[in-house]
Amino acid sequence: GAVVSQHPSRVICKSGTSVKIECRSLDFQATTMFWYRQFPKQSLMLMATSNEGSKATYEQGVEKDKFLINHASLTLSTLTVTSAHPEDSSFYICSASVGDSPLHFGNGTRLTVT
Amino acid sequence: AQKVTQAQTEISVVEKEDVTLDCVYETRDTTYYLFWYKQPPSGELVFLIRRNSFDEQNEISGRYSWNFQKSTSSFNFTITASQVVDSAVYFCALRRTNAGKSTFGDGTTLTVKP
Repeated sequence: GAVVSQHPSRVICKSGTSVKIECRSLDFQATTMFWYRQFPKQSLMLMATSNEGSKATYEQGVEKDKFLINHASLTLSTLTVTSAHPEDSSFYICSASVGDSPLHFGNGTRLTVT
Repeated sequence: AQKVTQAQTEISVVEKEDVTLDCVYETRDTTYYLFWYKQPPSGELVFLIRRNSFDEQNEISGRYSWNFQKSTSSFNFTITASQVVDSAVYFCALRRTNAGKSTFGDGTTLTVKP
């Protein structure tokens, strides 16, 4: 079945630094990938839709300049949290699909900003 | 606007009991997909089932079964003879066909005690 790989699984960074999270579709080409954020014991909140070769579409309330998304190829999308602050600490999870197929999720990245 | 409601925040059962997780959705679309995902403590999201709005047949897969009733906009999930390994957070999700973006419910935390 379709596999989505997300890296790193955990990252701890200091306040003010930037962190890049990678999301790769391993055995299929994903024209669209999605980035979600999940706070403890809460649901998944869609942050943005990443389209290959074009600008990402951000959900209302998500800061575009803070959460930079790049989808340079059909198998890779990256999310960069710029100038991270403790309130950015969360579980970030990417997903991808082909056509009407179910969303396949990466294993998520737990970001801790100290 | 789309909405998914999982009214049960937490459910606790004893092993071997049957348990039903409720999901009610709202959409103005005539065609859509419904999903159930499992999120174990490790954090990754595991796809369980997809149901097309045209297909109201109930489905059984091992100990899992799903009851889709379009008339009541419900897509309930039943685990028969629950096991400790079923302990997880379960999310119901709704997606417009070919649109990719999914709306998730708040999740139901299921705890199965030995």
